[in-house]
Amino acid sequence: AQSVTQPDIHITVSEGASLELRCNYSYGATPYLFWYVQSPGQGLQLLLKYFSGDTLVQGIKGFEAEFKRSQSSFNLRKPSVHWSDAAEYFCAVSPPLTKIIFGSGTRLSIRP
Amino acid sequence: DGGITQSPKYLFRKEGQNVTLSCEQNLNHDAMYWYRQDPGQGLRLIYYSQIVNDFQKGDIAEGYSVSREKKESFPLTVTSAQKNPTAFYLCASSDRGRRTEAFFGQGTRLTVV
Repeated sequence: AQSVTQPDIHITVSEGASLELRCNYSYGATPYLFWYVQSPGQGLQLLLKYFSGDTLVQGIKGFEAEFKRSQSSFNLRKPSVHWSDAAEYFCAVSPPLTKIIFGSGTRLSIRP
Repeated sequence: DGGITQSPKYLFRKEGQNVTLSCEQNLNHDAMYWYRQDPGQGLRLIYYSQIVNDFQKGDIAEGYSVSREKKESFPLTVTSAQKNPTAFYLCASSDRGRRTEAFFGQGTRLTVV
């Protein structure tokens, strides 16, 4: 069965430090992969997406993610976080013609 | 502008009453979804619909009902059978079968007192 795992429930990083949020998926073929961000009390906003081609994808707000087929991973990175990056981050996989599957989310806190 | 609209943003109901949450999209998307979100928890799928007049139960469908009579509309009814209905509800839509992401509404916070 398809699944998405985000092993880190809560991460705290210092402002200006680098960030990596982990995401692992289980799917038989190459799925469509996404990262979303959610501010408190808001809907989800797409940060970036991967369908095929270059395995390093750039997104909004300075985020990037790298697809690694051998590790079934799609980790999100940012070289230098800002206080405004504090939010909940969701990884998702979308196998064609079926429902979207979300990970359980990682809450990011920023230390001043 | 194209988008997905949930209304109302805040909703209060007395225990034992049914309540319907609205979700409308003008993106011409085939697929629509309802998720429930509780504090500190991820998204749990309630129902989804891939096409008009068809929908499937998600992981936590008990106590909820939906309809998909029009492509642009996917209302969710929270019935009195739902034991703990107070939560944040998110609606989303996507272009089924194509390489597009899900678009989300801003959510409805339902409080049952």
